[in-house]
Amino acid sequence: GQQLNQSPQSMFIQEGEDVSMNCTSSSIFNTWLWYKQDPGEGPVLLIALYKAGELTSNGRLTAQFGITRKDSFLNISASIPSDVGIYFCAGQINSGGGADGLTFGKGTHLIIQP
Amino acid sequence: EPEVTQTPSHQVTQMGQEVILRCVPISNHLYFYWYRQILGQKVEFLVSFYNNEISEKSEIFDDQFSVERPDGSNFTLKIRSTKLEDSAMYFCASTQEEKLFFGSGTQLSVL
Repeated sequence: GQQLNQSPQSMFIQEGEDVSMNCTSSSIFNTWLWYKQDPGEGPVLLIALYKAGELTSNGRLTAQFGITRKDSFLNISASIPSDVGIYFCAGQINSGGGADGLTFGKGTHLIIQP
Repeated sequence: EPEVTQTPSHQVTQMGQEVILRCVPISNHLYFYWYRQILGQKVEFLVSFYNNEISEKSEIFDDQFSVERPDGSNFTLKIRSTKLEDSAMYFCASTQEEKLFFGSGTQLSVL
């Protein structure tokens, strides 16, 4: 099956710093999604990307869908303590109509030091 | 804001017992899913369900697993004879078209 390589596995940063994480795949995906998961909770959707090259922002978060459809990155600007958590990228082969399951990356654990 | 709700939040069972995990998807959504997450690992797709039948399932979703939408609001995952390795967080999700929304999960512990 498809696999997503997500990096870095973990990040230790100072409050106020910018954060960048990315996902790559050997397979093409038509949808890329970024989720955040807090301990004991389900993943919460942050940003959804549907077109190659698309750049989308959600507050301090910015994500891009790579031109090749095999990668995506997520940037967080001016990190704050509540940004702590695990960030997952997820890819879906077919857009429009949700029958396909998502393939998740292994997650990036973000830790913010005050 | 509408949300996917799951019950129970925690379930402890003995190996070999049957468990049923329950979910109420968002009301106008058409596609329903179950995912699982073993502690410290990534979220893994189990099964998708649309129009009262399974659309797609992963290798994890073997004969011990089944899903059902018994009425217009509930969506259940049944594990017939639980194994130790079934211990995980199980997430239900739903979507109308593309954006998947997850419930808070059921933590299943098999002893």
